[in-house]
Amino acid sequence: AQKVTQAQTEISVVEKEDVTLDCVYETRDTTYYLFWYKQPPSGELVFLIRRNSFDEQNEISGRYSWNFQKSTSSFNFTITASQVVDSAVYFCALSEAMRANNLFFGTGTRLTVIP
Amino acid sequence: EAQVTQNPRYLITVTGKKLTVTCSQNMNHEYMSWYRQDPGLGLRQIYYSMNVEVTDKGDVPEGYKVSRKEKRNFPLILESPSPNQTSLYFCASSLDSGSWYSGELFFGEGSRLTVL
Repeated sequence: AQKVTQAQTEISVVEKEDVTLDCVYETRDTTYYLFWYKQPPSGELVFLIRRNSFDEQNEISGRYSWNFQKSTSSFNFTITASQVVDSAVYFCALSEAMRANNLFFGTGTRLTVIP
Repeated sequence: EAQVTQNPRYLITVTGKKLTVTCSQNMNHEYMSWYRQDPGLGLRQIYYSMNVEVTDKGDVPEGYKVSRKEKRNFPLILESPSPNQTSLYFCASSLDSGSWYSGELFFGEGSRLTVL
Protein backbone atom coordinates (compact mmCIF):
# COMPACT_ATOMS: atom_id res chain seq x y z
CA ALA A 1 0.00 0.00 0.00
CA GLN A 2 1.10 3.52 -0.61
CA LYS A 3 2.01 5.98 2.09
CA VAL A 4 3.17 9.59 2.18
CA THR A 5 4.83 10.99 5.27
CA GLN A 6 5.29 14.67 5.97
CA ALA A 7 6.93 14.58 9.35
CA GLN A 8 7.00 18.35 9.79
CA THR A 9 3.60 19.39 11.03
CA GLU A 10 4.39 23.09 11.35
CA ILE A 11 7.37 25.22 10.41
CA SER A 12 7.96 28.90 11.08
CA VAL A 13 10.65 30.93 9.37
CA VAL A 14 11.52 34.57 9.17
CA GLU A 15 11.02 36.23 5.83
CA LYS A 16 13.90 35.75 3.38
CA GLU A 17 15.07 32.56 5.03
CA ASP A 18 15.21 29.37 3.00
CA VAL A 19 13.01 26.49 4.08
CA THR A 20 12.78 22.84 3.06
CA LEU A 21 9.62 20.79 3.40
CA ASP A 22 10.23 17.08 3.64
CA CYS A 23 8.24 14.33 1.96
CA VAL A 24 8.94 10.61 2.20
CA TYR A 25 6.84 8.12 0.30
CA GLU A 26 6.26 4.39 0.11
CA THR A 27 4.97 2.45 -2.84
CA ARG A 28 5.45 -0.98 -4.35
CA ASP A 29 4.89 0.29 -7.87
CA THR A 30 7.84 1.02 -10.07
CA THR A 31 5.82 3.63 -11.94
CA TYR A 32 4.31 6.36 -9.85
CA TYR A 33 3.78 10.10 -9.68
CA LEU A 34 4.63 12.60 -6.99
CA PHE A 35 2.98 15.95 -6.45
CA TRP A 36 3.13 19.05 -4.32
CA TYR A 37 0.10 21.21 -3.67
CA LYS A 38 -0.21 24.49 -1.80
CA GLN A 39 -3.26 25.39 0.25
CA PRO A 40 -3.25 29.10 1.16
CA PRO A 41 -5.46 30.45 3.95
CA SER A 42 -8.26 30.95 1.43
CA GLY A 43 -8.55 27.16 1.25
CA GLU A 44 -8.18 26.25 -2.41
CA LEU A 45 -5.62 23.71 -3.58
CA VAL A 46 -2.95 25.05 -5.89
CA PHE A 47 -0.99 22.59 -8.00
CA LEU A 48 2.76 23.19 -7.81
CA ILE A 49 4.50 20.27 -9.46
CA ARG A 50 4.18 16.70 -10.70
CA ARG A 51 7.10 14.35 -11.15
CA ASN A 52 7.02 10.82 -12.52
CA SER A 53 9.17 8.07 -11.12
CA PHE A 54 11.37 7.85 -14.19
CA ASP A 55 12.43 11.45 -13.99
CA GLU A 56 14.81 12.09 -11.12
CA GLN A 57 15.95 15.44 -12.37
CA ASN A 58 15.63 18.15 -9.84
CA GLU A 59 13.51 21.07 -10.84
CA ILE A 60 13.68 24.77 -10.15
CA SER A 61 10.88 27.23 -10.74
CA GLY A 62 11.70 30.69 -9.53
CA ARG A 63 12.15 30.50 -5.75
CA TYR A 64 10.84 26.94 -5.65
CA SER A 65 12.93 23.84 -6.13
CA TRP A 66 12.29 20.15 -5.74
CA ASN A 67 14.72 17.37 -4.95
CA PHE A 68 13.59 13.89 -5.95
CA GLN A 69 15.71 11.01 -4.66
CA LYS A 70 14.48 7.50 -5.36
CA SER A 71 17.25 6.01 -3.24
CA THR A 72 15.74 7.56 -0.13
CA SER A 73 12.12 7.70 -1.39
CA SER A 74 12.03 11.40 -0.83
CA PHE A 75 10.62 14.34 -2.75
CA ASN A 76 11.58 17.45 -0.82
CA PHE A 77 10.48 20.97 -1.58
CA THR A 78 12.64 24.04 -0.93
CA ILE A 79 11.52 27.64 -0.93
CA THR A 80 14.37 30.09 -1.28
CA ALA A 81 14.13 33.58 0.20
CA SER A 82 10.70 32.91 1.68
CA GLN A 83 7.99 35.54 1.56
CA VAL A 84 4.89 36.12 3.64
CA VAL A 85 2.76 34.99 0.67
CA ASP A 86 4.37 31.57 0.99
CA SER A 87 2.49 31.03 4.25
CA ALA A 88 0.22 28.07 3.58
CA VAL A 89 -0.27 24.38 4.15
CA TYR A 90 1.75 22.30 1.72
CA PHE A 91 0.74 18.79 0.75
CA CYS A 92 2.87 16.13 -0.85
CA ALA A 93 0.96 13.41 -2.72
CA LEU A 94 1.58 10.15 -4.54
CA SER A 95 -0.34 8.22 -7.16
CA GLU A 96 0.43 4.87 -8.72
CA ALA A 97 0.42 4.08 -12.40
CA MET A 98 -2.72 1.98 -12.66
CA ARG A 99 -4.81 4.61 -10.90
CA ALA A 100 -2.80 7.64 -11.77
CA ASN A 101 -5.48 10.17 -10.89
CA ASN A 102 -6.10 8.73 -7.42
CA LEU A 103 -3.82 10.82 -5.29
CA PHE A 104 -2.77 9.73 -1.84
CA PHE A 105 -1.90 12.77 0.26
CA GLY A 106 0.39 13.32 3.18
CA THR A 107 -0.91 15.09 6.25
CA GLY A 108 0.52 18.44 5.21
CA THR A 109 3.05 20.91 6.58
CA ARG A 110 1.86 24.30 7.74
CA LEU A 111 4.43 26.94 6.84
CA THR A 112 4.31 30.32 8.50
CA VAL A 113 6.59 33.04 7.19
CA ILE A 114 7.06 35.80 9.73
CA PRO A 115 7.65 39.28 8.36
CA GLU B 1 -13.14 29.58 -17.88
CA ALA B 2 -12.17 26.00 -17.07
CA GLN B 3 -13.35 25.16 -13.61
CA VAL B 4 -14.74 22.69 -11.13
CA THR B 5 -17.72 24.13 -9.28
CA GLN B 6 -18.95 22.86 -5.95
CA ASN B 7 -22.13 23.80 -4.13
CA PRO B 8 -22.79 24.65 -1.44
CA ARG B 9 -19.49 26.15 -0.33
CA TYR B 10 -20.61 26.24 3.28
CA LEU B 11 -23.33 24.25 4.99
CA ILE B 12 -24.40 23.63 8.56
CA THR B 13 -26.86 20.82 8.98
CA VAL B 14 -28.12 18.41 11.60
CA THR B 15 -27.59 14.73 12.12
CA GLY B 16 -29.69 12.57 9.84
CA LYS B 17 -30.82 15.21 7.39
CA LYS B 18 -29.94 14.04 3.91
CA LEU B 19 -27.83 16.39 1.87
CA THR B 20 -26.13 16.53 -1.49
CA VAL B 21 -22.99 18.40 -2.42
CA THR B 22 -22.93 19.04 -6.13
CA CYS B 23 -19.84 19.06 -8.32
CA SER B 24 -19.78 20.16 -11.91
CA GLN B 25 -16.91 20.55 -14.37
CA ASN B 26 -16.95 22.28 -17.74
CA MET B 27 -13.84 20.69 -19.22
CA ASN B 28 -15.36 17.49 -20.61
CA HIS B 29 -13.22 15.51 -18.19
CA GLU B 30 -13.67 11.76 -17.91
CA TYR B 31 -12.34 11.40 -14.39
CA MET B 32 -13.89 12.90 -11.26
CA SER B 33 -13.37 12.26 -7.58
CA TRP B 34 -14.21 13.40 -4.07
CA TYR B 35 -11.85 13.98 -1.17
CA ARG B 36 -12.37 15.02 2.39
CA GLN B 37 -9.81 17.03 4.35
CA ASP B 38 -9.50 16.75 8.10
CA PRO B 39 -6.92 18.31 10.44
CA GLY B 40 -3.91 16.09 10.88
CA LEU B 41 -5.13 13.62 8.28
CA GLY B 42 -4.60 15.46 5.01
CA LEU B 43 -6.92 14.70 2.13
CA ARG B 44 -8.45 11.28 1.79
CA GLN B 45 -10.31 10.01 -1.24
CA ILE B 46 -13.98 9.11 -0.78
CA TYR B 47 -15.11 7.98 -4.23
CA TYR B 48 -13.95 8.34 -7.77
CA SER B 49 -15.42 7.90 -11.22
CA MET B 50 -13.54 6.89 -14.33
CA ASN B 51 -16.43 7.79 -16.63
CA VAL B 52 -20.20 8.01 -16.83
CA GLU B 53 -21.88 5.23 -14.84
CA VAL B 54 -18.50 4.01 -13.57
CA THR B 55 -17.79 4.74 -9.91
CA ASP B 56 -15.61 3.11 -7.29
CA LYS B 57 -14.77 3.45 -3.63
CA GLY B 58 -11.77 5.38 -2.43
CA ASP B 59 -10.19 5.07 0.99
CA VAL B 60 -13.06 6.40 3.14
CA PRO B 61 -16.38 5.67 1.40
CA GLU B 62 -18.48 4.80 4.46
CA GLY B 63 -21.51 7.04 4.87
CA TYR B 64 -21.33 8.45 1.34
CA LYS B 65 -22.91 7.74 -2.01
CA VAL B 66 -22.13 9.10 -5.44
CA SER B 67 -23.60 8.91 -8.90
CA ARG B 68 -22.29 9.75 -12.36
CA LYS B 69 -25.24 9.99 -14.69
CA GLU B 70 -23.70 12.74 -16.79
CA LYS B 71 -20.10 13.40 -17.63
CA ARG B 72 -20.02 16.88 -16.14
CA ASN B 73 -21.66 16.14 -12.77
CA PHE B 74 -20.55 14.04 -9.82
CA PRO B 75 -22.70 14.71 -6.75
CA LEU B 76 -21.73 13.51 -3.28
CA ILE B 77 -24.68 12.30 -1.24
CA LEU B 78 -24.80 11.99 2.52
CA GLU B 79 -27.94 9.97 3.19
CA SER B 80 -27.81 10.33 6.97
CA PRO B 81 -25.04 12.73 7.95
CA SER B 82 -23.30 12.32 11.27
CA PRO B 83 -20.98 14.67 13.18
CA ASN B 84 -17.92 12.67 12.09
CA GLN B 85 -18.65 13.77 8.54
CA THR B 86 -17.95 17.36 9.49
CA SER B 87 -15.12 18.16 7.11
CA LEU B 88 -13.88 20.15 4.16
CA TYR B 89 -14.79 18.41 0.92
CA PHE B 90 -13.05 18.76 -2.42
CA CYS B 91 -14.19 17.61 -5.82
CA ALA B 92 -11.59 17.06 -8.53
CA SER B 93 -11.55 16.22 -12.21
CA SER B 94 -9.02 15.25 -14.82
CA LEU B 95 -9.07 14.76 -18.55
CA ASP B 96 -7.96 11.18 -18.68
CA SER B 97 -8.93 8.23 -16.59
CA GLY B 98 -6.26 5.99 -18.02
CA SER B 99 -3.36 4.50 -16.24
CA TRP B 100 -0.85 7.06 -17.41
CA TYR B 101 -1.18 10.45 -15.90
CA SER B 102 -1.97 12.73 -18.76
CA GLY B 103 -2.97 15.99 -17.23
CA GLU B 104 -3.48 18.06 -14.18
CA LEU B 105 -6.03 17.17 -11.55
CA PHE B 106 -8.29 20.21 -11.18
CA PHE B 107 -9.79 20.83 -7.76
CA GLY B 108 -12.91 22.72 -6.84
CA GLU B 109 -12.77 25.42 -4.18
CA GLY B 110 -14.02 23.15 -1.43
CA SER B 111 -17.25 22.75 0.54
CA ARG B 112 -17.11 23.15 4.29
CA LEU B 113 -19.72 20.96 5.91
CA THR B 114 -20.67 21.01 9.58
CA VAL B 115 -22.98 18.35 10.97
CA LEU B 116 -24.42 19.15 14.40
